[in-house]
Amino acid sequence: GQNIDQPTEMTATEGAIVQINCTYQTSGFNGLFWYQQHAGEAPTFLSYNVLDGLEEKGRFSSFLSRSKGYSYLLLKELQMKDSASYLCAVSGVDSSYKLIFGSGTRLLVRP
Amino acid sequence: GAGVSQSPRYKVAKRGQDVALRCDPISGHVSLFWYQQALGQGPEFLTYFQNEAQLDKSGLPSDRFFAERPEGSVSTLKIQRTQQEDSAVYLCASSLRGNNEQFFGPGTRLTVL
Repeated sequence: GQNIDQPTEMTATEGAIVQINCTYQTSGFNGLFWYQQHAGEAPTFLSYNVLDGLEEKGRFSSFLSRSKGYSYLLLKELQMKDSASYLCAVSGVDSSYKLIFGSGTRLLVRP
Repeated sequence: GAGVSQSPRYKVAKRGQDVALRCDPISGHVSLFWYQQALGQGPEFLTYFQNEAQLDKSGLPSDRFFAERPEGSVSTLKIQRTQQEDSAVYLCASSLRGNNEQFFGPGTRLTVL
């Protein structure tokens, strides 16, 4: 079966940096997505990595190592509004464009 | 701008009833996906359309679940003889083409009593 693991919960302080890790073992890979989901709302796209390395977009960065089956999402200068669930998802499983999601990491930002 | 819309936003059904959930994707988006999300979990894939063709339905949990996209735009997910375990949020997502980022709708929260 497909396996995507990420921590269940994390807590961080406003203004700090937090790193959310994701490891995956899947039958097929065509990219890794990170989504943010506030409670009761739709997931919104944050980043996409298909090649190894770091992608930076404002306060958010995402890293991928395909050989290690590992990715992380880095959030800098945390704000209260960053309190949300962060979903790691893999595309290309079984040669399909469907996304296979981890269970999500619930991030709580404290003042 | 017009994003993905879904209706109804909330649906309460008695066990055994049939329900139909509608998704209006972003105009021009070729790919459409349905996911099921249980509380506290990540979305789980149900089915995928490219235009009107249903290319992957491997995630549909039983033959009570049926999806269609007859004209390659609006899609309907139908659940027959609903059961309590069908209670979840049903998310629809569309993308310009296969492996682009998927844009999600607000979801339909289905509660089966």
